[in-house]
Amino acid sequence: DTEVTQTPKHLVMGMTNKKSLKCEQHMGHRAMYWYKQKAKKPPELMFVYSYEKLSINESVPSRFSPECPNSSLLNLHLHALQPEDSALYLCASSPLAGSNQPQHFGDGTRLSIL
Amino acid sequence: QKEVEQNSGPLSVPEGAIASLNCTYSDRGSQSFFWYRQYSGKSPELIMSIYSNGDKEDGRFTAQLNKASQYVSLLIRDSQPSDSATYLCAVTPHAGGTSYGKLTFGQGTILTVHP
Repeated sequence: DTEVTQTPKHLVMGMTNKKSLKCEQHMGHRAMYWYKQKAKKPPELMFVYSYEKLSINESVPSRFSPECPNSSLLNLHLHALQPEDSALYLCASSPLAGSNQPQHFGDGTRLSIL
Repeated sequence: QKEVEQNSGPLSVPEGAIASLNCTYSDRGSQSFFWYRQYSGKSPELIMSIYSNGDKEDGRFTAQLNKASQYVSLLIRDSQPSDSATYLCAVTPHAGGTSYGKLTFGQGTILTVHP
């Protein structure tokens, strides 16, 4: 079992739907991350939150909207997604952004866009 | 040049053999180096961290770092079929700058351990 919990595990949505992915950690980490991973590719960074503030946005389209309500929670709001957005979405956390400590990943949400 | 490159796979070794996975990186100021294991359909799992030159051993795993050569490797001794997975090398950049907090992954090496 991972200490980073992601829900839901699977999500199928249409291109006009609005949905949210959730991530929770209780390790006291102050940095949280969203990654997108396509099949046979490494994880691709989307967003970094440090102390609940957005510190890195890797030029992600606005149809992906991150939110960090508190130090334990990270959301990714989805709207008007495209079929090419189908992927595994991974949340990770680390003690501090930019520290030497490794990032720990959740189990991911497998997203399919119809 | 890619920032983090791993030896092209897939790599196939017999059970009980040593599997050797290699990674080079381009940012000479890189500070932290990680190996993640990813089973098919699962998320990456941290198996080794290394920060200074030399070897670091943890059970059957040994990570080796050579900052002068910008090279990091992972050795898996007594390989088991359960070690079959994709191994991802990941590097954090030098402190400061716009890459603060960013972990850069290599493309991954698929390892198959056959009985």
